[in-house]
Amino acid sequence: DAGVTQSPTHLIKTRGQHVTLRCSPISGHKSVSWYQQVLGQGPQFIFQYYEKEERGRGNFPDRFSARQFPNYSSELNVNALLLGDSALYLCASSPWDGSYGYTFGSGTRLTVV
Amino acid sequence: AQSVSQHNHHVILSEAASLELGCNYSYGGTVNLFWYVQYPGQHLQLLLKYFSGDPLVKGIKGFEAEFIKSKFSFNLRKPSVQWSDTAEYFCAVRPFGEGDDKIIFGKGTRLHILP
Repeated sequence: DAGVTQSPTHLIKTRGQHVTLRCSPISGHKSVSWYQQVLGQGPQFIFQYYEKEERGRGNFPDRFSARQFPNYSSELNVNALLLGDSALYLCASSPWDGSYGYTFGSGTRLTVV
Repeated sequence: AQSVSQHNHHVILSEAASLELGCNYSYGGTVNLFWYVQYPGQHLQLLLKYFSGDPLVKGIKGFEAEFIKSKFSFNLRKPSVQWSDTAEYFCAVRPFGEGDDKIIFGKGTRLHILP
């Protein structure tokens, strides 16, 4: 079975640019969450979507947005990139919600220069 | 605000030594609790989880964790570590009743096992 797949794996962007990160959950999983992991820290919650509706938002500025599509895949968008947005962005999926624990993808390494 | 505290940032042990990694969380309500592991070059994997019931939870690869509600703790243990246990370990909590479905992670503990 395919796990959670994320694309691209690595990305370099310039300050002020926009970026879109993509995630395909495990087949049958309806809940997708996004996390940001800065070097030396644990993952930090950004968004959670279930059945295409936003179920939670972490403490991130409005430059961060996301959506979930009818096939349960998801996109994370970040506008007006800052150097501090450089991080590993993780997507995680679960059948319903986080109570069973999420299965994580390998992440997208975003570098903002 | 809810938070998860992992007491040790970096632990070095010899093979066959016993392991205990501390984890405390700050939230007064009902929680689910998790330990995730990240092996070098790999993605986060679920090691074990506490849902309800027996506070002693057994996970993969011989790991176990004990939920002590009165201490808001969920420490990870293994009686005898192996070189292959070298990894970063994250404790995480999912609070109920907050209106969202976030999982809050600790900062992680890097475990290095000497052969």
